[in-house]
Amino acid sequence: QSVLTQPPSASGTPGQRVTISCSGSSSNIKNNYVNWYQQFPGTAPKLLIQSNNQRPSGVPDRFSGSKSGTSASLAISGLRSEDEADYYCATWDDSVSGPVFGGGTKLTVL
Amino acid sequence: QVQLQESGPGLVKPSETLSLTCTVSGDSVTGQSWVWIRQPPGMGLEWIGFLSYTGVTNYNSSLKSRVTMSLDTSKNHFTLKLSSVTAADTAVYFCARRLGSYSAIFDYWGQGALVTVSS
Repeated sequence: QSVLTQPPSASGTPGQRVTISCSGSSSNIKNNYVNWYQQFPGTAPKLLIQSNNQRPSGVPDRFSGSKSGTSASLAISGLRSEDEADYYCATWDDSVSGPVFGGGTKLTVL
Repeated sequence: QVQLQESGPGLVKPSETLSLTCTVSGDSVTGQSWVWIRQPPGMGLEWIGFLSYTGVTNYNSSLKSRVTMSLDTSKNHFTLKLSSVTAADTAVYFCARRLGSYSAIFDYWGQGALVTVSS
């Protein structure tokens, strides 16, 4: 059971906009920055969004992040087949004094 | 270009100690914070612990009694030891660089090392 709650799956067609939610609590998301990771099968996760809405160098602007209260969202616009991957949210949790992850969302491009 | 590489045995017997090393290139282990994260087959990510450049450690409470992390500045690497392993510890183990304090920003990752616990 992950501390942060994500839907196990999401899907969309090429060109569509999809969002993936991440729900937490006052001990984690509400008072800390949220980060998002993209993971392809057999590879390490890649930092996609940091500090709620900042894209590291090289990440396309099709990816965006937002946060409100105890929830956060990752949005992918202009969906492409190569976006098919697992997506994880992560943040600091004051209760455990460490980072916590969501359970991951498998994105399928139909 | 910062690169991390995990190394260590891919098979560990139950009740023994899992040992992994993460060798860092392109950065100094004395300047950042470093983390171990694992991922059981088909499952999500779990933080194991992190180690600051000052040597201060912080471990996941669920693993704390079995985990030891350390820094070797002469070899520019850091290590993970997990004792008394069981099949539940079978996972891909990743090392990564952590940015900032009180953060979950991991900007560089190793490729991962699959460790299987089996007799």
